[in-house]
Amino acid sequence: ETGVTQTPRHLVMGMTNKKSLKCEQHLGHNAMYWYKQSAKKPLELMFVYNFKEQTENNSVPSRFSPECPNSSHLFLHLHTLQPEDSALYLCASSQGYLHPEREGRYGYTFGSGTRLTVV
Amino acid sequence: GQQVMQIPQYQHVQEGEDFTTYCNSSTTLSNIQWYKQRPGGHPVFLIQLVKSGEVKKQKRLTFQFGEAKKNSSLHITATQTTDVGTYFCAGPRTGNNRKLIWGLGTSLAVNP
Repeated sequence: ETGVTQTPRHLVMGMTNKKSLKCEQHLGHNAMYWYKQSAKKPLELMFVYNFKEQTENNSVPSRFSPECPNSSHLFLHLHTLQPEDSALYLCASSQGYLHPEREGRYGYTFGSGTRLTVV
Repeated sequence: GQQVMQIPQYQHVQEGEDFTTYCNSSTTLSNIQWYKQRPGGHPVFLIQLVKSGEVKKQKRLTFQFGEAKKNSSLHITATQTTDVGTYFCAGPRTGNNRKLIWGLGTSLAVNP
């Protein structure tokens, strides 16, 4: 148990489905992240929330929609995905930052990930 | 754009041999972080280096940050099968956007 819990661990969905990924952290962190991990590619940052404010939307297609109701919970809503969206989706948390220049100073704690397959 | 390169991409060693992976940034980094991801697992934070020339040890693992803060290395002495996995380095971008840039990782296989 890492302190960051992701559900579900595995998800198979059709291209017309709507599903949500959930992430919960118990570390008292104030920054939460969604990453996409695909084979032979660097980790791709998707979204960042710092103190519940979205600070990054890294040119992610609108079929991915994040939600951060509080600093402990993060969701990724999925709809009309494509097969190329199949990947491991990782949630991470870190200490929040009050000033942008302090971002990147703290290590991330990752959840176990959701292995998503779009058929 | 700003990049972080890791070499080698893959490494096979016999158990007991040493292993080193290198991380090279196109720009100066304020810090460098190292993570390990076991097969089928998720990245786990190992360490952060901040100072120029800094060296830190964790048991058989030795981490170095270059004098120019553009390079880093991870050295494992006498590898064990438990060391198997992919080792990633990451560092913050320069400028106003300090999001982490990640290397592609070095995958380590250890033959018993």
